[in-house]
Amino acid sequence: NAGVMQNPRHLVRRRGQEARLRCSPMKGHSHVYWYRQLPEEGLKFMVYLQKENIIDESGMPKERFSAEFPKEGPSILRIQQVVRGDSAAYFCASSPRLGLAGGPSEQYFGPGTRLTVT
Amino acid sequence: GENVEQHPSTLSVQEGDSAVIKCTYSDSASNYFPWYKQELGKGPQLIIDIRSNVGEKKDQRIAVTLNKTAKHFSLHITETQPEDSAVYFCAYGNNRLAFGKGNQVVVIP
Repeated sequence: NAGVMQNPRHLVRRRGQEARLRCSPMKGHSHVYWYRQLPEEGLKFMVYLQKENIIDESGMPKERFSAEFPKEGPSILRIQQVVRGDSAAYFCASSPRLGLAGGPSEQYFGPGTRLTVT
Repeated sequence: GENVEQHPSTLSVQEGDSAVIKCTYSDSASNYFPWYKQELGKGPQLIIDIRSNVGEKKDQRIAVTLNKTAKHFSLHITETQPEDSAVYFCAYGNNRLAFGKGNQVVVIP
């Protein structure tokens, strides 16, 4: 059973360009989460999606960032007009529909995409 | 808001000894408390988790304890081995997880 897949693993963009990060959840998982990690920091929640729905985007910057999880295909995190401060590791996690007794479910992380803005 | 403090920031232990990492959290509504291990250049790996209806959970050399009254939970690694060397993150929440800043654990052979 393949784990969470992310691509590309490394992405270099010049300031002002667009970055597209892809995440394919584990087989059978319908929930996807995106987190950002700065060097020597913990992960910061960005957005939580289910198929064709954004459930919680409270951690997303108001401008330039968007996320989707279409009915078919991977989840996409899109960053428009990147700036140097966007340089970070972006991790995707997936989980099954619900955990025990309908509670929170385990989140399994992919290897991440390391974005460098020059 | 959600806030989690994790300490000590760095922990060095002799191979075979035990390592304990403690996290303190702020949001009492949370029911789920996972621990992740992250090796250099890799994604976080879920190693153990605990839910608010139990106080302790064990999986081989790893255990987690939860004290909801005091709002802290701890990771215990016994009989440490060099491959346990990594950064360990505590987290808590329901669907949106709040992470600590991580503990660098170094196991000295």
